[in-house]
Amino acid sequence: AQKVTQAQTEISVVEKEDVTLDCVYETRDTTYYLFWYKQPPSGELVFLIRRNSFDEQNEISGRYSWNFQKSTSSFNFTITASQVVDSAVYFCALSEPTYNTNAGKSTFGDGTTLTVKP
Amino acid sequence: NAGVTQTPKFQVLKTGQSMTLQCAQDMNHEYMSWYRQDPGMGLRLIHYSVGAGITDQGEVPNGYNVSRSTTEDFPLRLLSAAPSQTSVYFCASSPTQGLGETQYFGPGTRLLVL
Repeated sequence: AQKVTQAQTEISVVEKEDVTLDCVYETRDTTYYLFWYKQPPSGELVFLIRRNSFDEQNEISGRYSWNFQKSTSSFNFTITASQVVDSAVYFCALSEPTYNTNAGKSTFGDGTTLTVKP
Repeated sequence: NAGVTQTPKFQVLKTGQSMTLQCAQDMNHEYMSWYRQDPGMGLRLIHYSVGAGITDQGEVPNGYNVSRSTTEDFPLRLLSAAPSQTSVYFCASSPTQGLGETQYFGPGTRLLVL
């Protein structure tokens, strides 16, 4: 069974600090996708990034960067120079194929609550 | 485009009552799914559908029914509500089969079962 672990339940930083959110996953499939979503206090879910299992290139998007390492089954997310607006719950998710319908099924981690203080 | 819409936004039920949570999307997406989010936890998949007439169970399907008669709509039915079903429910859609695709989430329905 697939599993996603976000060991950090809550993180609190001061504005402008860098912060890394950890995500470790378990899967038996060789083809899978990993995602990060942001859930601000307003409650909606915002897509941040997708990475497939064959692409281990790290990615940077502005202050956000992601480090995917298959060897350690990790897909960590770093926010550089954090801002108050980054305060949210961040979810890591794993999508695997279901062989009866060939669709994808997603498993989410429990989330990391990030608080950025001014 | 309205995207993914959910109604109602908030609902209070008594134990044993039934109700239907509505979900609709206007993006002609094939894949739709329902999740529940409990406090301090991530989203857990209840049911999903890969197209009209095709549904399958997710991680936590017990107590819920779904059907998909049209591409646009994917209602979630609670047959006999229980306090354990108090949660926030999210509907999501993606263009095709869902694997590797970004899911577009609705705003959520907050359900309280007394």
